[in-house]
Amino acid sequence: GAVVSQHPSRVICKSGTSVKIECRSLDFQATTMFWYRQFPKKSLMLMATSNEGSKATYEQGVEKDKFLINHASLTLSTLTVTSAHPEDSSFYICSALQGARTDTQYFGPGTRLTVL
Amino acid sequence: GQQLNQSPQSMFIQEGEDVSMNCTSSSIFNTWLWYKQDPGEGPVLLIALYKAGELTSNGRLTAQFGITRKDSFLNISASIPSDVGIYFCAGLRAGTSYGKLTFGQGTILTVHP
Repeated sequence: GAVVSQHPSRVICKSGTSVKIECRSLDFQATTMFWYRQFPKKSLMLMATSNEGSKATYEQGVEKDKFLINHASLTLSTLTVTSAHPEDSSFYICSALQGARTDTQYFGPGTRLTVL
Repeated sequence: GQQLNQSPQSMFIQEGEDVSMNCTSSSIFNTWLWYKQDPGEGPVLLIALYKAGELTSNGRLTAQFGITRKDSFLNISASIPSDVGIYFCAGLRAGTSYGKLTFGQGTILTVHP
């Protein structure tokens, strides 16, 4: 149980375009999901907390107009990188809290974004 | 920023050796989690610890929640080549927002056959 999927696993786009990344909890409902960004051989950096049915909470320094988050159902959160630039190239990972538990996060496999 | 000090940053060991890594903090944590991340993949949960003093095993892995609630360690016994990867500790700090984890910097493990 507690499987989280992400789609796509890899995406290459041109500078100025927008990219949508999906995060799904496959066998459980997730009221809360998190979006992280990770640079090579570095730790995970929390970008935002995604709550079903309400606005996402962004960490300090993360542009909410650039990284749009929508948590439309209990099993799906999306991250849209708008007007992407090469500096947005990174590994984006989502995670989900399982049910009512607040103490254990399950991670998706990540999405490698490359902006040319 | 990071509030968990994870050490060592990297380890190079021979197959069969035991491995130990730890995380410390000046803050109190309610939960400690240990994850392993393979290249190009998301972190996979190895062990979760929910109570001070708790000692939990998962196969060759053993982790403990420090009695002061400010530290945790992970041991891997009889390492094998597939243990290679980055290990992260993560904690749920007392008084933080709903489910928000604090991560260690990671320990890069290399196992030589």
